[in-house]
Amino acid sequence: SYVLTQSPSVSVAPGQTARIPCGGNNIGSKSVHWYQQKPGQAPVLVVYDDSDRPSGIPERISGSNSENTATLTISRVEAGDEADYYCQVWDSSSDPVVFGGGTKLTVL
Amino acid sequence: QITLKESGPTLVKPTQTLTLTCTFSGFSLSTRGLGVGWIRQPPGKALEWLALIYWDDDKRYSPSLKSRLTISKDTSKDQVVLTVTNVDPLDTATYYCAQQGGIAVTSGAFGFWGQGTMVTVSS
Repeated sequence: SYVLTQSPSVSVAPGQTARIPCGGNNIGSKSVHWYQQKPGQAPVLVVYDDSDRPSGIPERISGSNSENTATLTISRVEAGDEADYYCQVWDSSSDPVVFGGGTKLTVL
Repeated sequence: QITLKESGPTLVKPTQTLTLTCTFSGFSLSTRGLGVGWIRQPPGKALEWLALIYWDDDKRYSPSLKSRLTISKDTSKDQVVLTVTNVDPLDTATYYCAQQGGIAVTSGAFGFWGQGTMVTVSS
């Protein structure tokens, strides 16, 4: 089955740029979605289909996807961005939904 | 406004069957392209996808749990039900239901989530 690999943690100072990678075999051929989850809350979709943002998600959150790595980028990081971030892919064939193991973003 | 809410027991004994209900509003699961899925999260761990049911009653399951899962829908009640048989303490988790396809019809993203319901498996 398809596997998505995420680094357990990423740390960044306020105002800097955080990049959260998600690795997968030829992930560039799939659509990748990203979720933000704060403690005690349900996940919130922040990027879908590699780089689109749902209504209400700020422009400083963006996504990209190429070859074997998809990346969630958060510019001008704020304390409120501290959360766990999960990548996800969907394939309508054998394993339709796969989540990555999550990355904890710490704002220093 | 789209909302989803999970309901079910908070405590289940090992070997029993767990039945969870997702009651939603703001959309119909008879709408082409939509789906509702179940995702769980053990305490302190990552999200794990369990099952997905589509508008046309197509059903998909996690390969690792397929033998223990059944998903169904009742369009007239706006509900999706998940059963998990022969539960084990490893099934202790927060269980979420979420809508797929609402953000964009062809997208596999889960755009709307319920608040989750915590289930503990213990004797």
